[in-house]
Amino acid sequence: QKEVEQDPGPLSVPEGAIVSLNCTYSNSAFQYFMWYRQYSRKGPELLMYTYSSGNKEDGRFTAQVDKSSKYISLFIRDSQPSDSATYLCAMSGDSGGSNYKLTFGKGTLLTVNP
Amino acid sequence: GAGVSQSPSNKVTEKGKDVELRCDPISGHTALYWYRQSLGQGLEFLIYFQGNSAPDKSGLPSDRFSAERTGGSVSTLTIQRTQQEDSAVYLCASSLAPSSSEQYFGPGTRLTVT
Repeated sequence: QKEVEQDPGPLSVPEGAIVSLNCTYSNSAFQYFMWYRQYSRKGPELLMYTYSSGNKEDGRFTAQVDKSSKYISLFIRDSQPSDSATYLCAMSGDSGGSNYKLTFGKGTLLTVNP
Repeated sequence: GAGVSQSPSNKVTEKGKDVELRCDPISGHTALYWYRQSLGQGLEFLIYFQGNSAPDKSGLPSDRFSAERTGGSVSTLTIQRTQQEDSAVYLCASSLAPSSSEQYFGPGTRLTVT
């Protein structure tokens, strides 16, 4: 079992739809949870950064972490064509103080159709 | 402000040649990280630099890979005797705080070994 599992998609939705992206993980030491957006041939852009369980909202984006289920989600409301990109989840833990070593999912390719 | 910059953006090299990839972190960021993004593999941690401390090289895949960071700022990743399996996008990230999971990525260098 991989440490982080992410459905690669592709996911295609109409403009204005609510998008739900998810990752599951197996390492209970993970404490920090991130979502990155990566446009084609660009570097990953940090969208959301959360610590431990709970919700965090930033504009149209909401990140949820459920540590008991080892499950994280990113919701995008009122999706726009400009949201079309690959979304990567990433996480890290406090094990041995190396919480800077991010473990990534393989990414979900999202297309928002006008 | 300026983000992380990397050069070159693309590099094509012949098998067996050495290559150097450069990273300029965000001004004021003390920590610098290198990752590799391969097709089908996702992003993998390579190396971490923090100030004058010894780097964490635990992610380097072989002794053909090395990296240095001069003056606590610019970093170069060197791959000696390149192999076709080294073909990937090499991404650099930096963070304001040391050992941080809140990392900001550059655009990457796409390396193709022929």
